[in-house]
Amino acid sequence: RKEVEQDPGPFNVPEGATVAFNCTYSNSASQSFFWYRQDCRKEPKLLMSVYSSGNEDGRFTAQLNRASQYISLLIRDSKLSDSATYLCVVRNQGGKLIFGQGTELSVKP
Amino acid sequence: DTGVSQNPRHKITKRGQNVTFRCDPISEHNRLYWYRQTLGQGPEFLTYFQNEAQLEKSRLLSDRFSAERPKGSFSTLEIQRTEQGDSAMYLCASSLVGTTTEAFFGQGTRLTVV
Repeated sequence: RKEVEQDPGPFNVPEGATVAFNCTYSNSASQSFFWYRQDCRKEPKLLMSVYSSGNEDGRFTAQLNRASQYISLLIRDSKLSDSATYLCVVRNQGGKLIFGQGTELSVKP
Repeated sequence: DTGVSQNPRHKITKRGQNVTFRCDPISEHNRLYWYRQTLGQGPEFLTYFQNEAQLEKSRLLSDRFSAERPKGSFSTLEIQRTEQGDSAMYLCASSLVGTTTEAFFGQGTRLTVV
């Protein structure tokens, strides 16, 4: 079993749609959680950290459920520029960062 | 440019040759990570350092892979006796110590083994 699992997609959605991505992790002692965005042939960049209470940044909302070891990302009012791969990332107690496979999103006009 | 720097950006090598990649992290960052990424996959963990200490090396890595960070600043990743399956993007990232700190990535070194 992979330490961090994501549905690879692709998710093909029209502009303006709401789309949700899910991620599960296996290590219950994991300490912190992130969503990174990766554009084609570019390096990953931080989209947002994920906090236990849930957090929002504009059109993006992240949720963490420690009991279920589950992380989610919700994107509202999708834009063409949101097309990218979204990577779920978990940091363990030693500081190691573990990435999921990534979920590909394609927003169409 | 004060971001993470990786050299070279591209490397083409013949099977069986050794290659070495360099990563210069953001100057005050004490954690440094190496990942390998192939098409359609997320970054696969290889190893990471805190200052000069190598804290973990992936069990998936063969003994042909070695990494160093001798002075706690830049790091090198060496692959000996390259194989075609080593062809991938090798990514380096750095961060400060701390559970919530962001890791910043370099642009990667794309290795092609022919």
